[in-house]
Amino acid sequence: NAGVTQTPKFRVLKTGQSMTLLCAQDMNHEYMYWYRQDPGMGLRLIHYSVGEGTTAKGEVPDGYNVSRLKKQNFLLGLESAAPSQTSVYFCASSYLGQYNEQFFGPGTRLTVL
Amino acid sequence: RKEVEQDPGPFNVPEGATVAFNCTYSNSASQSFFWYRQDCRKEPKLLMSVYSSGNEDGRFTAQLNRASQYISLLIRDSKLSDSATYLCAAFRTGNNRKLIWGLGTSLAVNP
Repeated sequence: NAGVTQTPKFRVLKTGQSMTLLCAQDMNHEYMYWYRQDPGMGLRLIHYSVGEGTTAKGEVPDGYNVSRLKKQNFLLGLESAAPSQTSVYFCASSYLGQYNEQFFGPGTRLTVL
Repeated sequence: RKEVEQDPGPFNVPEGATVAFNCTYSNSASQSFFWYRQDCRKEPKLLMSVYSSGNEDGRFTAQLNRASQYISLLIRDSKLSDSATYLCAAFRTGNNRKLIWGLGTSLAVNP
């Protein structure tokens, strides 16, 4: 099993460009999450999903959109990137809710110039 | 004040030492607690879950003190490979259920 995978691993964008980050898990988990991690801020939840076809906002959802069309995939979109979105983005999944162990992907390092 | 607080460190200890970190939480509705380990430029990985008073796994022991609202992580016989950042997380129950993350404690084990 690959666990949780993320693509791409690195990306540099110019302000205003758009992109989609892909997260895939092969553990048949119901719950999936997108976090960003910044120095001094820790892990912050952007959006999450409790099952196929569902999404919900986390604590820092502005500027991001998500979709969960298939159970194994969770996409994070940036429609118009801003320098403030420079960060490391982690996807995670869990069998049950947030009170359950979360398995993280390797992360995507995004720089917005 | 943050809902989950950790001493950022860094904790510098020699190989073989015993080291302990504390993680304090302010919301008494927190019921489940986790210690994750994060290596530099890598993803967090679960080290230990704590649902009752404590948990032990080899050289690692986590203890929960509900009265004082903190959870500790004890590492015995430290290895060089234990050098990492240790993240504490608390799951808050109730109407606004969510997992609250601490900022992490940095540990460097020196030869």
